[in-house]
Amino acid sequence: AQKITQTQPGMFVQEKEAVTLDCTYDTSDPSYGLFWYKQPSSGEMIFLIYQGSYDQQNATEGRYSLNFQKARKSANLVISASQLGDSAMYFCAISGSARQLTFGSGTQLTVLP
Amino acid sequence: DTGVSQDPRHKITKRGQNVTFRCDPISEHNRLYWYRQTLGQGPEFLTYFQNEAQLEKSRLLSDRFSAERPKGSFSTLEIQRTEQGDSAMYLCASRGDTSNTEAFFGQGTRLTVV
Repeated sequence: AQKITQTQPGMFVQEKEAVTLDCTYDTSDPSYGLFWYKQPSSGEMIFLIYQGSYDQQNATEGRYSLNFQKARKSANLVISASQLGDSAMYFCAISGSARQLTFGSGTQLTVLP
Repeated sequence: DTGVSQDPRHKITKRGQNVTFRCDPISEHNRLYWYRQTLGQGPEFLTYFQNEAQLEKSRLLSDRFSAERPKGSFSTLEIQRTEQGDSAMYLCASRGDTSNTEAFFGQGTRLTVV
């Protein structure tokens, strides 16, 4: 079984500051992928970034980077230079041999002007 | 538009009625997923298709729920004898062949059972 834990129901960050959203995972699969999605109030799920379990380097996509610490089973999302448009729900997810994506409960990020 | 599309976007139904939702995945994607999402929660996995084969079903999927993907293209999710607890957003997602590619989501169907 796979499990994602996001312990921060809500986070606030000042515009232009960086913020870290926490994600820990549990899986027995030797090979797995970790994903972050953004869900604005409009409801669509927007893919942000992916990290494979065997990737040596942390993934980066523009202002998004994934701080992957395999031994700690954590895959935190770092958003640099926050913008007002970053205010949304953020979900961490894992995919392994079960083929489904298992999501966490999410973190509501609010960017303050 | 070449993304995942879902129809309808909104559905209001009376308790006890049957409803059917449709999902058209990205055309070259052979993997298709249905999820349910309630307010303030993450998406919960319901079922998974690889081409036309339904390979996984969640325990959440009661006997009143059935999903099909008859030709390995679009999929339908039917809920029979709807209950108020079925009110949720139903999300469809598709993925390509490579094992850990990202899933692309549709905009969802919001079901309200009154």
